[in-house]
Amino acid sequence: EAAVTQSPRNKVAVTGGKVTLSCNQTNNHNNMYWYRQDTGHGLRLIHYSYGAGSTEKGDIPDGYKASRPSQENFSLILELATPSQTSVYFCASGVDWGDGAEQFFGPGTRLTVL
Amino acid sequence: GMPVEQNPPALSLYEGADSGLRCNFSTTMKSVQWFQQNHRGRLITLFYLAQGTKENGRLKSTFNSKERYSTLHIKDAQLEDSGTYFCAAEEAGGSGNKLIFGTGTLLSVKP
Repeated sequence: EAAVTQSPRNKVAVTGGKVTLSCNQTNNHNNMYWYRQDTGHGLRLIHYSYGAGSTEKGDIPDGYKASRPSQENFSLILELATPSQTSVYFCASGVDWGDGAEQFFGPGTRLTVL
Repeated sequence: GMPVEQNPPALSLYEGADSGLRCNFSTTMKSVQWFQQNHRGRLITLFYLAQGTKENGRLKSTFNSKERYSTLHIKDAQLEDSGTYFCAAEEAGGSGNKLIFGTGTLLSVKP
């Protein structure tokens, strides 16, 4: 079954540490996205990708890097984690139907930075 | 203002009641998705619309790009409908097929 999976599902990190969140999709979609969700803000776009080797900045990219080594995998990297990056992170794959775009979401990763 | 305004922020219904949620857009949107976020935090896609109206069981959604709004109607609300509902829209002329999310409606269905 086509799906978007994320790992880890939960992560506790220390301030200043490096954190890598991973996302894998079997939808064979070109586009992939990383969001964070905080109370009162809905989901906000951090980085996205058009395909292997491509990464683009979203609306709130500061403090985050992304890597798309293959069609299936898209990682979000926090080089120096800070408590303000405590959040729930969602990955999605996306398809352009021509009349609009649809995204399919993973289960989320809860990150706590102490 | 916000590109996607979602109302109401919170809604309480008794089982069996009908109600509607609405998203207004400050600019022309190409398509809209509606999601339910359940108690486990998962985002479940309810509808994808590029125009018109779709129905699925007790749920019905409409998207009017020209008048810049979308609605989600819930009929005969059930306890399992409780959760947070989000609309997310793709801006016409935007790049990257990006979605702009509303801030959600927290729905509580009571017995």
